[in-house]
Amino acid sequence: DQQVKQNSPSLSVQEGRISILNCDYTNSMFDYFLWYKKYPAEGPTFLISISSIKDKNEDGRFTVFLNKSAKHLSLHIVPSQPGDSAVYFCAASAGNTPLVFGKGTRLSVIA
Amino acid sequence: KAGVTQTPRYLIKTRGQQVTLSCSPISGHRSVSWYQQTPGQGLQFLFEYFSETQRNKGNFPGRFSGRQFSNSRSEMNVSTLELGDSALYLCASRNDVGTDTQYFGPGTRLTVL
Repeated sequence: DQQVKQNSPSLSVQEGRISILNCDYTNSMFDYFLWYKKYPAEGPTFLISISSIKDKNEDGRFTVFLNKSAKHLSLHIVPSQPGDSAVYFCAASAGNTPLVFGKGTRLSVIA
Repeated sequence: KAGVTQTPRYLIKTRGQQVTLSCSPISGHRSVSWYQQTPGQGLQFLFEYFSETQRNKGNFPGRFSGRQFSNSRSEMNVSTLELGDSALYLCASRNDVGTDTQYFGPGTRLTVL
């Protein structure tokens, strides 16, 4: 039973446009959500997080939106750059529980 | 601060052998978690250690074990290796158990022949 789902395995976006990556979760106890970026042969790099008491968090070009009623979060990257091409993982936790990861979305930013 | 380090970076073993992977967390971080990444499966949680105690364990067979030392360094061991154990093994550290962000090391690529 997948508690965190990233339904789009891949996404292609033109350079300069907005990239929107989506994530759905089923466990209503999750209260902390994170996005990681991963290049091949490297460990995931933390990008941005959001607590369940917020509905939006921004950090430079990256914004995460949380819709608790829909159990949905999204990561917006504006403007997208070729260096953003990577696999993006959504993760969630509930208090002390381990992070639960989605299976990732491969983003390709085309110059 | 130095990041999370993992050794070795690459490892080739044969079926039936055992392997030990090592992880040094970010200085000051007391929690270390281990994950297995295989193609199409995302990151699967193995276990978490905090102050030398296993705090959480994922759904993996008993062939997978770990430990944490007093300096927070951690090792994981896989005995009786199977072909399906071929994966990228990732270690992550955080300051405390809870909602602190986890920071990952580069991983150890294990290939079982």
